[in-house]
Amino acid sequence: EAAVTQSPRSKVAVTGGKVTLSCHQTNNHDYMYWYRQDTGHGLRLIHYSYVADSTEKGDIPDGYKASRPSQENFSLILELASLSQTAVYFCASSDARQGYAEQFFGPGTRLTVL
Amino acid sequence: QQKVQQSPESLIVPEGGMASLNCTSSDRNVDYFWWYRQHSGKSPKMLMSIFSNGEKEEGRFTVHLNKASLHTSLHIRDSQPSDSALYLCAASYTNAYKVIFGKGTHLHVLP
Repeated sequence: EAAVTQSPRSKVAVTGGKVTLSCHQTNNHDYMYWYRQDTGHGLRLIHYSYVADSTEKGDIPDGYKASRPSQENFSLILELASLSQTAVYFCASSDARQGYAEQFFGPGTRLTVL
Repeated sequence: QQKVQQSPESLIVPEGGMASLNCTSSDRNVDYFWWYRQHSGKSPKMLMSIFSNGEKEEGRFTVHLNKASLHTSLHIRDSQPSDSALYLCAASYTNAYKVIFGKGTHLHVLP
């Protein structure tokens, strides 16, 4: 079965600090995504990537950067964490472009910014 | 901006009952509809997808699609307490190569 792992699983950060969320997949998928989930908002796409060393902006990229150093790894970086970025973050992968293949999600990272 | 509307926000059904969830796209350029299920504290997992008009059945789960009305529905028969979860509908669009998720329907199946 497809495997997507995330680290850390939980993180408490201070306002203005830097946060890096990591994602690793062993599916050999080209496409990887970062979403955030807030109560009442479903899933919203932050950044995605379809090839190593390249990332694309999603629907809510402000305040976030992404890095795809290899096919397997995809990171989400919050340079200056803010209270509004408290949320659960999910990484996902798929073997075709978004919308044309099932997405496999990691277990999520619960981020609390104080 | 494409939007995906789900209704109801919350649904309570008795064990053994039928649950019906709805989802509509605001954009006509929709290619696929997806249904994901997310148990509390877990990640979403795909249940079913549909792209052709009509009906698709897998076990206790049936999905309907009416492309003219941009509407899909998920029906769960003989609902079980283990079906209690957040059900997310997502739509993919040809002209944007993206998926938009709805806010979800919270299903509670009472034993």
